[in-house]
Amino acid sequence: DAGVIQSPRHEVTEMGQEVTLRCKPISGHNSLFWYRQTMMRGLELLIYFNNNVPIDDSGMPEDRFSAKMPNASFSTLKIQPSEPRDSAVYFCASSLRGGNTDTQYFGPGTRLTVL
Amino acid sequence: AQTVTQSQPEMSVQEAETVTLSCTYDTSESDYYLFWYKQPPSRQMILVIRQEAYKQQNATENRFSVNFQKAAKSFSLKISDSQLGDAAMYFCAYRPIPTGANSKLTFGKGITLSVRP
Repeated sequence: DAGVIQSPRHEVTEMGQEVTLRCKPISGHNSLFWYRQTMMRGLELLIYFNNNVPIDDSGMPEDRFSAKMPNASFSTLKIQPSEPRDSAVYFCASSLRGGNTDTQYFGPGTRLTVL
Repeated sequence: AQTVTQSQPEMSVQEAETVTLSCTYDTSESDYYLFWYKQPPSRQMILVIRQEAYKQQNATENRFSVNFQKAAKSFSLKISDSQLGDAAMYFCAYRPIPTGANSKLTFGKGITLSVRP
C-alpha cells in the first residue's frame, strides 16, 4: 500500500504569491494532519481533520493559511499571500482513528522556500 | 498542557555500540501513547517504536527498545548495535488516548544522532 503522498516535494516562490500544498492520505485512514517544521520552532501541528472535518486549527498561524479536505483522499494547505517567514518543510500525516494505536504516518514533506 | 522535552541536542555513538536517547514528558493524563520517530537526511519521518502507557512491558522493535518509567515520566530510546544508517534526527512524541476528537501529537525538539564508523 502506498504511504502518504505529498506534492510538490519542493516549491520555490516569490513573496506575495499563492502556494498550494497537496496531500493524499493512506487509503482507509480517517484522520489527516498538517505539520510545519522549522529550525527555530521544531515540528508544529497546524490543523487536523477527522472524517474530512477540521477538528483543531489552533495551530494555523494566521488568516493567510487555509486548509481543506473535500474528500477522504485529498487535502490542500494554501498560503495566500506567502511571506519569506513561511519557508519551512510542511508535512502531512494520516492515521486510522479508532485503530489499534492511532499511529500517525508521515508523508515525505514539501520543502517551501519563499523568496 | 502536555510538553515533551529532549534535553540533549546532539549525541554521537561508535558503530556497533549502544546509545540511549533521553526524553521526558509532562502530562496529567493516566493513559496515553508515546512514540519515537526517526528523521534521516531525506526528511522522511519514520516511526521507530511506540509504547502504550498502560502496558508495563517496555516496547522492543529489533535493535530498538525503550525504557519507559511512567512515574518519572521518562521515555528513553536505546539503540543497540548502532549502524551507519541510524544517523538521523530522533523525535520523541506524546499523544493522549483519543477522547472526543483529540488526536494531537506533541513533539520534542529532537536530537541529532551521529554514528562514527
